[in-house]
Amino acid sequence: EAGVTQFPSHSVIEKGQTVTLRCDPISGHDNLYWYRRVMGKEIKFLLHFVKESKQDESGMPNNRFLAERTGGTYSTLKVQPAELEDSGVYFCASSQVTPRPQETQYFGPGTRLLVL
Amino acid sequence: AQTVTQSQPEMSVQEAETVTLSCTYDTSESDYYLFWYKQPPSRQMILVIRQEAYKQQNATENRFSVNFQKAAKSFSLKISDSQLGDAAMYFCAYRRGGSQGNLIFGKGTKLSVKP
Repeated sequence: EAGVTQFPSHSVIEKGQTVTLRCDPISGHDNLYWYRRVMGKEIKFLLHFVKESKQDESGMPNNRFLAERTGGTYSTLKVQPAELEDSGVYFCASSQVTPRPQETQYFGPGTRLLVL
Repeated sequence: AQTVTQSQPEMSVQEAETVTLSCTYDTSESDYYLFWYKQPPSRQMILVIRQEAYKQQNATENRFSVNFQKAAKSFSLKISDSQLGDAAMYFCAYRRGGSQGNLIFGKGTKLSVKP
């Protein structure tokens, strides 16, 4: 079974440009999470989709970030316009919706974003 | 707000020895879950072990075990018989109660294993 995949693995852009990150969750996983790790800091939650609906977007830093999950399959995270402080590693994780408290989040390899 | 603290940025252990990674957390909730994730170099983060707060018994997974001290809000990870493949970043994480939800992570501990 394929794991969570993310594209691109690396992205280097200039301040003011736009970047779109993509996450393909494990097939059948309705939960999809985005996280970000800025250098030297904790991995921080950004938002949570259940299927195509945003369950929780309390971690989104500002309106320059737009996440979508059309059709409830893959998700994109667009940063427009990118700022220097957006640099970091963006992780995606997916899990099955389960009534039991046994949720295991499976993580992708991350996208390393560098804004110059 | 809940926080997770890992006070050891780096740790080192000799192969076959035992090492303990520390994690403390702060929460006012009574129902929650704690996790240790491992991220090997250039590889994906994977779940090592999980602990439900309502369970008094410490979780174990083969060579990995935890020391869960609920009153002290401490959740350390013990790796026995360390292997070279255990070298990785280890993240402690918290999730509030319920069937699913976001994780709150510590900054991580980089573990090196010496042959």
